[in-house]
Amino acid sequence: QSVLTQPPSASGTPGQRVTISCSGGSSNIGSNIVNWYQQLPGMAPKLLIYNNDQRPSGVPERFSGSKSGTSASLAISGLQSEDEADYYCAAWDDSLSDFWLFGGGTKLTVL
Amino acid sequence: EVQLVQSGAEVKEPGESLKISCTTSGFTFTTYWIAWVRQMPGKGLEYMGIIYPGDSDTRYSPSFQGHVTISADKSITTAYLQWTSLKTSDTAMYYCARLGHITLGGYNWFHPWGQGTMVTVSS
Repeated sequence: QSVLTQPPSASGTPGQRVTISCSGGSSNIGSNIVNWYQQLPGMAPKLLIYNNDQRPSGVPERFSGSKSGTSASLAISGLQSEDEADYYCAAWDDSLSDFWLFGGGTKLTVL
Repeated sequence: EVQLVQSGAEVKEPGESLKISCTTSGFTFTTYWIAWVRQMPGKGLEYMGIIYPGDSDTRYSPSFQGHVTISADKSITTAYLQWTSLKTSDTAMYYCARLGHITLGGYNWFHPWGQGTMVTVSS
């Protein structure tokens, strides 16, 4: 069981807005940045959001991230079929040195 | 362009040893940390450990300490993950990833990632 808690699944229809939550604690999300990774089927993970709400070059604007206290969220607006993937949040944890935590992952299905 | 290219899939028997590689290019290898991440079949991502090739400073997640060894060869800008005695439970996809910043700590992220190496351990 991951210390960062995500819903195991989420779904939406094309064009909808979907949000995925990530809940942690004071030693991880509460005191460090949150990053989000997208893993398309059969592919390696890819950085989607870094530093809570920043998009790397090439990531569409319809992906956005936010953080408040010990929780974070990933929002996808204008959902597209190619967004069907697994999404993972991640954060450094101060309670154990040199240690990153990943959320358990959320499988997004585009209906 | 920053690239991490991993070695090919491996099929091994329990008790065998194995070393997989992550060959990098497009950046100064000795100034960025390289991490390894495990993904067991149908499961999520697990952070294993990390190395700073500049001085071979290596840190392990408590879950993987003593079970694997992370190393690096500066002369060929390649990081490694190795086992001395594989178990069937080591069957997984293994990814290497570079840190986005040169400083280890909470203000950092994994980017980019290698394509992954599938390791299958079966008798």
